[in-house]
Amino acid sequence: GQQVMQIPQYQHVQEGEDFTTYCNSSTTLSNIQWYKQRPGGHPVFLIQLVKSGEVKKQKRLTFQFGEAKKNSSLHITATQTTDVGTYFCAGPEKKTSYDKVIFGPGTSLSVIP
Amino acid sequence: NAGVTQTPKFQVLKTGQSMTLQCAQDMNHEYMSWYRQDPGMGLRLIHYSVGAGITDQGEVPNGYNVSRSTTEDFPLRLLSAAPSQTSVYFCASRLQGVNTGELFFGEGSRLTVL
Repeated sequence: GQQVMQIPQYQHVQEGEDFTTYCNSSTTLSNIQWYKQRPGGHPVFLIQLVKSGEVKKQKRLTFQFGEAKKNSSLHITATQTTDVGTYFCAGPEKKTSYDKVIFGPGTSLSVIP
Repeated sequence: NAGVTQTPKFQVLKTGQSMTLQCAQDMNHEYMSWYRQDPGMGLRLIHYSVGAGITDQGEVPNGYNVSRSTTEDFPLRLLSAAPSQTSVYFCASRLQGVNTGELFFGEGSRLTVL
């Protein structure tokens, strides 16, 4: 079956430093999604990328979808303590006429004030 | 809108006991799914459904049963709980289709099996 991998597993940064997490799929994806989970909370959708090479920005967050549609990245500029949490990428694994959503293991971000 | 509602939020079971985790959504989403979250393992798909009467297995289905009799509800059953099923369980739903966007998650159910 499809595998979705993420690196790093953990990242500790000083507030104000940048942060990047990388996501790789074993298969080509029709789209990729990113979610954030605050400690003790549930995953919350951030964004979906669909097109090859697509780049989207949300304030200090920049999301990229690779040209081959097998990898993606999330970059946070000048981290803040509100960025603390685990970031997951997720992609659909297609089965016949419908698809199920498979998540990567996540990158846990700690921000030191 | 309530979104995705899970009950109970917390449950302690003894090995061998059975229980059902409830999940309901009021967004008329065709797709519903159950994930378990364990430290360092991310979110692993247990079972999913693309509509009433249609269910399928995810990555880790063993020990769990599901059914989908209505669009709104997707209960997860543990027939004989084992300590390995100690985890946080999340129900999630969305519109069905390849590029139909975000999964909406419930707040989670924390299960401990002694």
